[in-house]
Amino acid sequence: EVHLVESGGGLVQPGGSLRLSCAVSGFTFSDHFMDWVRQAPGKGLEWVGRSRNKANSYTTEYAASVKGRFTISRDDSKNSLYLQMNSLKTEDTAVYYCVRDGYYDYLWLLDVWGKGTTVTVSS
Amino acid sequence: DIQMTQSPSSLSASVGDRVTITCRASQGISNYLAWFQQKPGKAPKSLIYAASSLHSGVPSKFSGSGSGTDFTLTISSLQPEDFATYYCQQYNSYPLTFGGGTKVEIK
Repeated sequence: EVHLVESGGGLVQPGGSLRLSCAVSGFTFSDHFMDWVRQAPGKGLEWVGRSRNKANSYTTEYAASVKGRFTISRDDSKNSLYLQMNSLKTEDTAVYYCVRDGYYDYLWLLDVWGKGTTVTVSS
Repeated sequence: DIQMTQSPSSLSASVGDRVTITCRASQGISNYLAWFQQKPGKAPKSLIYAASSLHSGVPSKFSGSGSGTDFTLTISSLQPEDFATYYCQQYNSYPLTFGGGTKVEIK
């Protein structure tokens, strides 16, 4: 069974940093693209960014709202995905979901979701 | 960026009702459209991809249709476990974008 478990959330002051982790099991992590998606309190879903697999050179994509402040990385040997968040703003307060991409019809798309970890940016 | 607009933003329906939710893209996205279900306090669950293909394990009471800019999600006979918020999402181009959500409530 596929499992994705996020950790690392918490309370941080504006301007601070936080690193989220996503530990996965039940599938071959190194084969898959992975995403981070967030949800501010009482709001909808917002895509944060994507990590491609080794076959695609581990390249990344980011939403404009986080580009230059957030960095997605992965360690295939540890079956783990990371989200380094710097220069945090109050508007980054959200539940952050780790999402596995599946390969369907020759395209990668959001497939299996973790339960999420909560990040609160406040002074 | 491609804007995704869902309507209605909320609806009230009874058990057994047929419910249809609409999603419109600001530009053509072929059939690169997914639907997700989210219950309160829970993570989203993937329902549909490629506008009309059900993910494994998703019951056939859910169906999707559309191509280009206009899409629909239909629940054929609403059951208590279907009361939730539904989101559409395009994966035609970056950034990936979601609709604002449709909350399906009990009448």
